[in-house]
Amino acid sequence: QKEVEQDPGPLSVPEGAIVSLNCTYSNSAFQYFMWYRQYSRKGPELLMYTYSSGNKEDGRFTAQVDKSSKYISLFIRDSQPSDSATYLCAMTRRGGSNYKLTFGKGTLLTVNP
Amino acid sequence: DSGVTQTPKHLITATGQRVTLRCSPRSGDLSVYWYQQSLDQGLQFLIQYYNGEERAKGNILERFSAQQFPDLHSELNLSSLELGDSALYFCASSSSGGDTQYFGPGTRLTVL
Repeated sequence: QKEVEQDPGPLSVPEGAIVSLNCTYSNSAFQYFMWYRQYSRKGPELLMYTYSSGNKEDGRFTAQVDKSSKYISLFIRDSQPSDSATYLCAMTRRGGSNYKLTFGKGTLLTVNP
Repeated sequence: DSGVTQTPKHLITATGQRVTLRCSPRSGDLSVYWYQQSLDQGLQFLIQYYNGEERAKGNILERFSAQQFPDLHSELNLSSLELGDSALYFCASSSSGGDTQYFGPGTRLTVL
């Protein structure tokens, strides 16, 4: 079983839709959770970062973490064509000075105008 | 722009050759991480340096090595290249607190 599982999609939605992206993980040592957005042939861009269970909101984006179920989600409200990208969940363990990220494989999202 | 720079953007080389990828972290960041991204494996952690010292290793091949210099820039050396080494190589940096990493634009390596 992979440490982090993410449905690769592709996911295609109309403009204005609410998008839900999800990851599950198996290692309870993961304590910090991130969502990155990656446009084609570009570097991953940090979107959201959280370290506690519950919701964190930033504009149209909401990150949700459920540590008891080992499940994280990213919601995008009022999706725009510019949101079309690959979304990667990432997580890391707590403690020490090594915070290597373990990534999901990414979900390819297309928002159609 | 994340503030992390990587050169070159593209590299095309032949099997058996050796290449060096360069990364400059964000100003003030002490940690540098290297990742490899391929279609089948996704983003995989290779190695981390912190203030010049190797801190952690992931699934890095013995043919690959890295170092971080006193000015904190880092280089990833790939030798005896194989077709399967073709991938995007990303560098990321973080502050001493560590947990938020910012990625560079990547180097696309093609081995023919």
